[in-house]
Amino acid sequence: GNSVTQMEGPVTLSEEAFLTINCTYTATGYPSLFWYVQYPGEGLQLLLKATKADDKGSNKGFEATYRKETTSFHLEKGSVQVSDSAVYFCALQTNTGGFKTIFGAGTRLFVKA
Amino acid sequence: GAGVSQSPSNKVTEKGKDVELRCDPISGHTALYWYRQRLGQGLEFLIYFQGNSAPDKSGLPSDRFSAERTGESVSTLTIQRTQQEDSAVYLCASSLAPGLAVANTGELFFGEGSRLTVL
Repeated sequence: GNSVTQMEGPVTLSEEAFLTINCTYTATGYPSLFWYVQYPGEGLQLLLKATKADDKGSNKGFEATYRKETTSFHLEKGSVQVSDSAVYFCALQTNTGGFKTIFGAGTRLFVKA
Repeated sequence: GAGVSQSPSNKVTEKGKDVELRCDPISGHTALYWYRQRLGQGLEFLIYFQGNSAPDKSGLPSDRFSAERTGESVSTLTIQRTQQEDSAVYLCASSLAPGLAVANTGELFFGEGSRLTVL
């Protein structure tokens, strides 16, 4: 079946450090891939997306590249800020038999000043 | 409304009681999802409605859980004979069906959630 696996958190970094949050997936067909973010006290919102292999999604300094050969969609940011502290969810959306969206378990990021 | 609306925002109930949670999706969104998020954990898929197709109920954890949707509008998630392990935030999301237009990428728009506490 379809599934998403993320690295476990929490991840604690100092401000301006480099961030990587790993995400791998298992899916039939050619899913779209997403990163959602949940800031403290707020609802989930889309951070970035990629709809086909080799696409790079980017937003707010975050990037992720859709790697079909490694079934991965790792999230990266070159220099994190305290305001990036949040929970990050990797997700896939199938395009066969409907457009069901499956989420990973989430990775909590703490950024210290 | 402008966004996905859920009610109630908070519900405290006693073990064994039934509860109903409501979701009003964004107008025109054909897809509607329910997820459960236990404290400090990820999103657990419950059920997915897409237009007039049969819903995908594969994530419902037991027969105490059910959901309905009226056409492409309001959805209700019902939990019968609630148990303490049902305590969680229940999130609803809606989206356009991707592929119908170039701009539709399947992004989900989430409500604020309904926090359920079973005593």
